[in-house]
Amino acid sequence: AQKITQTQPGMFVQEKEAVTLDCTYDTSDQSYGLFWYKQPSSGEMIFLIYQGSYDEQNATEGRYSLNFQKARKSANLVISASQLGDSAMYFCAMRGGLIQGAQKLVFGQGTRLTINP
Amino acid sequence: KAGVTQTPRYLIKTRGQQVTLSCSPISGHRSVSWYQQTPGQGLQFLFEYFSETQRNKGNFPGRFSGRQFSNSRSEMNVSTLELGDSALYLCASSRDTYYEQYFGPGTRLTVT
Repeated sequence: AQKITQTQPGMFVQEKEAVTLDCTYDTSDQSYGLFWYKQPSSGEMIFLIYQGSYDEQNATEGRYSLNFQKARKSANLVISASQLGDSAMYFCAMRGGLIQGAQKLVFGQGTRLTINP
Repeated sequence: KAGVTQTPRYLIKTRGQQVTLSCSPISGHRSVSWYQQTPGQGLQFLFEYFSETQRNKGNFPGRFSGRQFSNSRSEMNVSTLELGDSALYLCASSRDTYYEQYFGPGTRLTVT
């Protein structure tokens, strides 16, 4: 079974600093996908970044980058130059449990990030 | 391009009642997944539909059901509501497997 572990329940960071949110995963699949989502207090899950298990380069999307270390089974999210609007819950997720091409995300417990001015 | 829409946004029901939630995916997306989010259990997968067929189902009782229409819109139904069904129900759409899922704003269900 797939499992995602986020060990940081909460993080406090000063505005403009870089922040790393930790994510480790467990799977026996050779092919898998890793995702990061942001959930503001409004509740909507916002897709941030994706990393495929066979991608050789770390994914980047603007201020977001994913530090993918396959051997360590980690997929940390790095936010550069944090902004007040980055304050939210952040979830790491894995696409797993594929049956007949089905789509299923397994989520971690999340990290609540607070950016201080 | 319009995002995923969910209706209603908020709902209050009484134990024993049933409820139907609706989700309209992004245009062109054929896969719709549903998730339940609670403070205690976190985000849990309910089921996924693709071209009107349920392709996968999570570990939820049979009171939770869903369907997808030919225009890819999806509904989920919860019968005989229990207090523990109070949650944020999120719908997500994607083009297909191996594509990222985009979530709607959710329906917050409160069971009293």
